[in-house]
Amino acid sequence: AQSVSQHNHHVILSEAASLELGCNYSYGGTVNLFWYVQYPGQHLQLLLKYFSGDPLVKGIKGFEAEFIKSKFSFNLRKPSVQWSDTAEYFCAVNAGNMLTFGGGTRLMVKP
Amino acid sequence: EAQVTQNPRYLITVTGKKLTVTCSQNMNHEYMSWYRQDPGLGLRQIYYSMNVEVTDKGDVPEGYKVSRKEKRNFPLILESPSPNQTSLYFCASSLRLGGFNEQFFGPGTRLTVL
Repeated sequence: AQSVSQHNHHVILSEAASLELGCNYSYGGTVNLFWYVQYPGQHLQLLLKYFSGDPLVKGIKGFEAEFIKSKFSFNLRKPSVQWSDTAEYFCAVNAGNMLTFGGGTRLMVKP
Repeated sequence: EAQVTQNPRYLITVTGKKLTVTCSQNMNHEYMSWYRQDPGLGLRQIYYSMNVEVTDKGDVPEGYKVSRKEKRNFPLILESPSPNQTSLYFCASSLRLGGFNEQFFGPGTRLTVL
């Protein structure tokens, strides 16, 4: 079965700091990769997705992620975070008929 | 407006009392799914449905049932709820699974089983 690991459970940053959230998955075949964000009290929304092609994908709100196949990784980055980025972030992997989520990373940005 | 709706949003019940959480989407999506969200565990898939009358187990199906009699509806049924089913539940849908298809999530149902 596929699995997804997010190594950082809690991250605290100051505004304007750079962000990188790790995501690793275990599945040997073709995968589709997603990052979702959940703002406090809200449902999940899609940040960005990778299907094929350029391994560096850009999403909404200045987020980007890089797919490194050899490392089974899909890390999320943002050069300069804002207070409004405070949220929980989930990496997800689709292989076959299942969509598997990581445990989530709770990001707090201090103003 | 394209959306996934869930009802109820909040529910407190007692052990053993059957309940149903409804989920409906108006986007003509084929794929629908239920997840539960627990702290530190992320979202875990309970059941999913590839299309009408086609359902399958996810990672944590024990204690749950689903049905997909119509394309737009995918209710989650707890025949005999137990306290370990206290959780935040999300329904989601997508045009189909795979490829570039994004999942659209409902607002969530917070269930407490006493």
